[in-house]
Amino acid sequence: KQEVTQIPAALSVPEGENLVLNCSFTDSAIYNLQWFRQDPGKGLTSLLLIQSSQREQTSGRLNASLDKSSGRSTLYIAASQPGDSATYLCAVTQAGTALIFGKGTTLSVSS
Amino acid sequence: EPEVTQTPSHQVTQMGQEVILRCVPISNHLYFYWYRQILGQKVEFLVSFYNNEISEKSEIFDDQFSVERPDGSNFTLKIRSTKLEDSAMYFCASSDGEKIAKNIQYFGAGTRLSVL
Repeated sequence: KQEVTQIPAALSVPEGENLVLNCSFTDSAIYNLQWFRQDPGKGLTSLLLIQSSQREQTSGRLNASLDKSSGRSTLYIAASQPGDSATYLCAVTQAGTALIFGKGTTLSVSS
Repeated sequence: EPEVTQTPSHQVTQMGQEVILRCVPISNHLYFYWYRQILGQKVEFLVSFYNNEISEKSEIFDDQFSVERPDGSNFTLKIRSTKLEDSAMYFCASSDGEKIAKNIQYFGAGTRLSVL
């Protein structure tokens, strides 16, 4: 059974710092991996999707990498801002379209 | 920008009562989903729906749950007889049916269900 783990569970950084969030999964047979952002009381917003054949995706200050063979992904956030404060979720898709989520990393960026 | 809308934002019900959670997916999307998140836990998949039938469901989605697309715009989740452990945030999502490797799901803001 696929398990998705995210570390750290929480992270606090000062504004301007570059940071890395980690995600690992136990079964490398995935179709894709997605990173989501969740704000308190709100839904999930898709940030980046990496197909299983890809190594990385970039969007603005965000860069996500995927190493399928080792079951790992990282989300790199450059020059963090207070508005980046949120919970970041990693999720994989396997046999169908169902997303399997990690528990998330709660990021706090202080000004 | 098109979005998934869910109503109500908060639903309070008594144990044993039936509840219906409502969602309006993005208009040209073909796949619809329900997920739930119990407080402090992971987001969990419940069910996916395509072409007017369930395409996948998880172990959580037992006989107490059902889904329906009653018209061309709404997608509903019904819980027949709520239990205390059904208290959670329920998220609806939709996607355009792009091949699985590129399938981005768009989520609503959720309905918080509180079972007393």
